[in-house]
Amino acid sequence: GESVGLHLPTLSVQEGDNSIINCAYSNSASDYFIWYKQESGKGPQFIIDIRSNMDKRQGQRVTVLLNKTVKHLSLQIAATQPGDSAVYFCAENRGGETSGSRLTFGEGTQLTVNP
Amino acid sequence: SAVISQKPSRDICQRGTSLTIQCQVDSQVTMMFWYRQQPGQSLTLIATANQGSEATYESGFVIDKFPISRPNLTFSTLTVSNMSPEDSSIYLCSVGAYYNEQFFGPGTRLTVL
Repeated sequence: GESVGLHLPTLSVQEGDNSIINCAYSNSASDYFIWYKQESGKGPQFIIDIRSNMDKRQGQRVTVLLNKTVKHLSLQIAATQPGDSAVYFCAENRGGETSGSRLTFGEGTQLTVNP
Repeated sequence: SAVISQKPSRDICQRGTSLTIQCQVDSQVTMMFWYRQQPGQSLTLIATANQGSEATYESGFVIDKFPISRPNLTFSTLTVSNMSPEDSSIYLCSVGAYYNEQFFGPGTRLTVL
């Protein structure tokens, strides 16, 4: 299953399928990106990050892809499990010496995994 | 990753009152931040809590409404002053370093009646 991020805030997939969650960012100066998972009633949980000098980074069952040309970020989850059901946020660090680690968050995508 | 705790975990308050939220980290951290998450929405950065100096506020947030303290490298407080129902939100602290992973606390769920 695939979402278009900000314009499709919900994504429903079958257990075992691969999920793709998309995010568009607006600032070409953004140089660091993080994906977070937020389960109901909890704080955001760090999943994976990527710096702007990379196009792809892999973790355990997750891959983040960065396309700086079109300012697009995606999170791929392999073999999606019911425990992956949550809201997923992308966040960008807009770069520059004065911005430090101040993050700007996307609006989030609700992923629902059907057994 | 750092272990972050927040107190209280939730509260129900009357309009016009103030609530102070505490954020405690189990290790010294360079940067601490406070975010607000309104119901069903994304996170918005309120301010960067600076150790030993005044916090740095984002556009739309002011010190009189959200005073912040950071007396040391492991602790910070956020006060929500003169509350109104519009302040009902989840308030989250986070910790991190420059251009590095940023981790969040469990949040404080505030309801203002």
